[in-house]
Amino acid sequence: EAGVAQSPRYKIIEKRQSVAFWCNPISGHATLYWYQQILGQGPKLLIQFQNNGVVDDSQLPKDRFSAERLKGVDSTLKIQPAKLEDSAVYLCASSLVGQRPYEQYFGPGTRLTVT
Amino acid sequence: AQSVAQPEDQVNVAEGNPLTVKCTYSVSGNPYLFWYVQYPNRGLQFLLKYITGDNLVKGSYGFEAEFNKSQTSFHLKKPAALVSDSALYFCAVRDMLTSGTYKYIFGTGTRLKVLA
Repeated sequence: EAGVAQSPRYKIIEKRQSVAFWCNPISGHATLYWYQQILGQGPKLLIQFQNNGVVDDSQLPKDRFSAERLKGVDSTLKIQPAKLEDSAVYLCASSLVGQRPYEQYFGPGTRLTVT
Repeated sequence: AQSVAQPEDQVNVAEGNPLTVKCTYSVSGNPYLFWYVQYPNRGLQFLLKYITGDNLVKGSYGFEAEFNKSQTSFHLKKPAALVSDSALYFCAVRDMLTSGTYKYIFGTGTRLKVLA
């Protein structure tokens, strides 16, 4: 079974530039998550999709971050314009959906450095 | 809202000795708790979860966790540590959203260092 795929693995941009990250979840996983992990901290949920609908985006800085999952499969997270404090690892995860507390499967992450 | 706390930033243990990584939780209702491990430059990997039933949960790589309702704890344990267990460990709890769906809240992580 293929895991969660993310690209790029690394990205360096200057502040005020824009950047986009891509994620392809495990086949059949209806729920997709984007997390931001700042060095030394735990992952913080940015946005959660169930199929192509958003179920939680309460911690997404909507003035600069956006995400979509148009066909209920892969997803794109965009930052425009980037700030220095956006430097972090962006993790994508997926899981089955249902009442059971299913575990999440994480991709390798994209390490973003904003200079 | 649900939350988890990992009181130790780092735990050092000698190879072959038992290890414990601590996690306490605050939930309303039944807790659904998880442990994940993160190796350098890699995403998080699922280790084990507690849903209901036996308080001792067994997981991957010889890890287990003990659920203690009275102490609201879910400590991760291993009888004999390996150098290869050195990594960052995260405790997580499932939180119900107003929509009736769920999200997961992670602790701040504990770095485990196993010394040869």
